[in-house]
Amino acid sequence: DAGITQSPRHKVTETGTPVTLRCHQTENHRYMYWYRQDPGHGLRLIHYSYGVKDTDKGEVSDGYSVSRSKTEDFLLTLESATSSQTSVYFCAIRTEKADTQYFGPGTRLTVL
Amino acid sequence: AQSVAQPEDQVNVAEGNPLTVKCTYSVSGNPYLFWYVQYPNRGLQFLLKYITGDNLVKGSYGFEAEFNKSQTSFHLKKPSALVSDSALYFCAVRDRGNNNDMRFGAGTRLTVKP
Repeated sequence: DAGITQSPRHKVTETGTPVTLRCHQTENHRYMYWYRQDPGHGLRLIHYSYGVKDTDKGEVSDGYSVSRSKTEDFLLTLESATSSQTSVYFCAIRTEKADTQYFGPGTRLTVL
Repeated sequence: AQSVAQPEDQVNVAEGNPLTVKCTYSVSGNPYLFWYVQYPNRGLQFLLKYITGDNLVKGSYGFEAEFNKSQTSFHLKKPSALVSDSALYFCAVRDRGNNNDMRFGAGTRLTVKP
């Protein structure tokens, strides 16, 4: 699991409420990623980080923001959750030596 | 932008038979290609990758994949399928010039029947 944990693992929330998902890594990797997984779409990149306080948008960033104040933590925030954000969210790190992404266990988010 | 197509939503094979999961890609530059596997309620696990060199890449659990530049394909193969290989398989591509933009296919569900 490349030392990646995600919290919470499951969350049910209501439309319009803010939600923050946490990704924590223990191996000091520089690059971290947030994806969402939806049937028929595979995984799509939401945001990524290339260092503390350095982030950039991915393919489906609308409605999401991220923050990285420490190397080990990468937070994904839905400012005002919508039903279209019901999904499974995966965090990943990329190892610089092997240049390969490894994934966390995922967070299943349901927005009612 | 790069893209990946996995033309089969579902692949069914009998245990002991060879399996192939297909993947084709589109990228403007030179590709980095990956295969991942996802078991129920789990994250994606890395299987293998092609960066450069030999077109036949060997990975975890007896899987291999062949890079074919002329056909822009990167099919996943295994000589003898196991029931435990049943899972969701994802192909992914990245342009060598952009380390952070990896695109995934929609996934292929492999079912191996005893």
